Amino acid sequence: KNQVEQSPQSLIILEGKNCTLQCNYTVSPFSNLRWYKQDTGRGPVSLTIMTFSENTKSNGRYTATLDADTKQSSLHITASQLSDSASYICVVTDRGSTLGRLYFGRGTQLTVWP
Amino acid sequence: EADIYQTPRYLVIGTGKKITLECSQTMGHDKMYWYQQDPGMELHLIHYSYGVNSTEKGDLSSESTVSRIRTEHFPLTLESARPSHTSQYLCASSEWDVEETQYFGPGTRLLVL
Repeated sequence: KNQVEQSPQSLIILEGKNCTLQCNYTVSPFSNLRWYKQDTGRGPVSLTIMTFSENTKSNGRYTATLDADTKQSSLHITASQLSDSASYICVVTDRGSTLGRLYFGRGTQLTVWP
Repeated sequence: EADIYQTPRYLVIGTGKKITLECSQTMGHDKMYWYQQDPGMELHLIHYSYGVNSTEKGDLSSESTVSRIRTEHFPLTLESARPSHTSQYLCASSEWDVEETQYFGPGTRLLVL
């Protein structure tokens, strides 16, 4: 069964600290993996996308890694800011269908305190 | 910021009423999607469209219907709202390219009393 599991479910950190969010998936065949940021009351916004051959991708203070062999990904946030408070969603696309079926994790709810 | 819009943002309505959630995008994307998301849960695809006059049901069974008469417009209709329809509804669109990144609207929070 194709699944995307994220951990931790929620995380509280102090402003300026770093943190790492985890994503494990069983989706096969694999096409790509995205990390989305969803602010409260808003739609998700894409942060990074990685294909099978990519190990790491950065977007400002966000760095995503991918290990396609172990089917694990992480999102590292450096020098956190209050505006980083949001839900971070891992999304894996399979390449076994025309639509490119997306599998969503439940997200990690990150809260950054001053 | 993606050019995809949803109205209304919030809707409180009584059981049995007919409602239409609007979604429009100005990016010229052929593909459009409707997702349902409950608090703390993952997004579930309920409808999608490849282009004008194309509509398909997603993975999550839904009593709603959609139409795609124009490229930029993908409204979702509930003929008779029930409390079980209470949820957040997200619209998204994407291009026919390698990455097919989906751009999401702000969502409509629906409460059926």
